[in-house]
Amino acid sequence: KQEVTQIPAALSVPEGENLVLNCSFTDSAIYNLQWFRQDPGKGLTSLLLIQSSQREQTSGRLNASLDKSSGRSTLYIAASQPGDSATYLCGSGGSNYKLTFGKGTLLTVNP
Amino acid sequence: GAGVSQSPSNKVTEKGKDVELRCDPISGHTALYWYRQSLGQGLEFLIYFQGNSAPDKSGLPSDRFSAERTGGSVSTLTIQRTQQEDSAVYLCASSLAGGAQVGQYFGPGTRLLVL
Repeated sequence: KQEVTQIPAALSVPEGENLVLNCSFTDSAIYNLQWFRQDPGKGLTSLLLIQSSQREQTSGRLNASLDKSSGRSTLYIAASQPGDSATYLCGSGGSNYKLTFGKGTLLTVNP
Repeated sequence: GAGVSQSPSNKVTEKGKDVELRCDPISGHTALYWYRQSLGQGLEFLIYFQGNSAPDKSGLPSDRFSAERTGGSVSTLTIQRTQQEDSAVYLCASSLAGGAQVGQYFGPGTRLLVL
């Protein structure tokens, strides 16, 4: 059974700092990995999708990497802003492409 | 609509009552997923639809939970004889097809509180 772990559980940084969020998974036989953000009381907003054959994806200030062999993915956020404050979730895509999620990292960016 | 919609946004019910939660996927998306998000368990997969069929129901926690999808579009998740431990946010997601190259898009969720 796939297990996904996200470290740290919470992170507080000053505005402008670059930061890395970590996601690890136990079963490397994944089809894809998707990063989301969730604002309080809201649904999930898709940020980046990395297919299993890919190593990384970039969108604006966000860069996500995937290393299947080591069971790890990272989300790099450059020049963080207060609007980046949210919970970040990673989901690994398994059979039928259903996602197994970590418990998330709560990010606070202080002005 | 432009995104996945869910209704109701909030539902308060009494223990033992039945509830129905609705999901409208993005138009043209053939794959539909239900997840549950609770404080203690995080986000958990419940059921997957491809068209109107549900090839994967492995996440449904008990036989009180059922779901259907009609016309390859709208889906309804039904919880019978609700229990307090059913209190959670129920999230629906859709994707173009069940494929590795497509991502899942989530609705805003239905917040269920069982008293």
